[in-house]
Amino acid sequence: DADVTQTPRNRITKTGKRIMLECSQTKGHDRMYWYRQDPGLGLRLIYYSFDVKDINKGEISDGYSVSRQAQAKFSLSLESAIPNQTALYFCATSDSPSQGWGETQYFGPGTRLLVL
Amino acid sequence: AQSVTQPDIHITVSEGASLELRCNYSYGATPYLFWYVQSPGQGLQLLLKYFSGDTLVQGIKGFEAEFKRSQSSFNLRKPSVHWSDAAEYFCAVGAKPGSSNTGKLIFGQGTTLQVKP
Repeated sequence: DADVTQTPRNRITKTGKRIMLECSQTKGHDRMYWYRQDPGLGLRLIYYSFDVKDINKGEISDGYSVSRQAQAKFSLSLESAIPNQTALYFCATSDSPSQGWGETQYFGPGTRLLVL
Repeated sequence: AQSVTQPDIHITVSEGASLELRCNYSYGATPYLFWYVQSPGQGLQLLLKYFSGDTLVQGIKGFEAEFKRSQSSFNLRKPSVHWSDAAEYFCAVGAKPGSSNTGKLIFGQGTTLQVKP
């Protein structure tokens, strides 16, 4: 079974709709991240969470919100979807630095979102 | 400003030929450096990472990368490319644990590798 799972894998929605993307992990990591990938732009950080009570904005958080329901679950919401939020979204996890391994991040398979 | 640049958007090599993908970074502190690969329809898989020590690091699938502080570079190499290496490759830089930017990876734009038979 995959260590980091994302649901749904593909989603088509309409402008103005609220949608939620979900991420679950079995790696036991404290840290979780949401990125979006756009052609030619690489990956950009939307939100990140270092533990259940710690949520931080990333580079491009406008129009998004997150919820860390448990150590293993981190959800991304688009409150009112717009077409320029069409992208590939990745969830990632990493262990805490105290483990001595730095910030190696492990990625889920991605959710492809199309906003019409 | 912190940034990662992958100068080559698209590279085509023949199967069996050598490969070098370029990565340059701008980072104010000691960087942690990574290379990830994304196969079509897949998530990102870690190829290798550099934290400290030997500047030539070995990764999975026969890849290696060399950290050159003087050139702010972390280029990825493979001596003989296989058709299955066709994918998109991302270089990323992160902060040392304990710094204010810890946990945040900055990614380059990616390089798409095409392998000719």
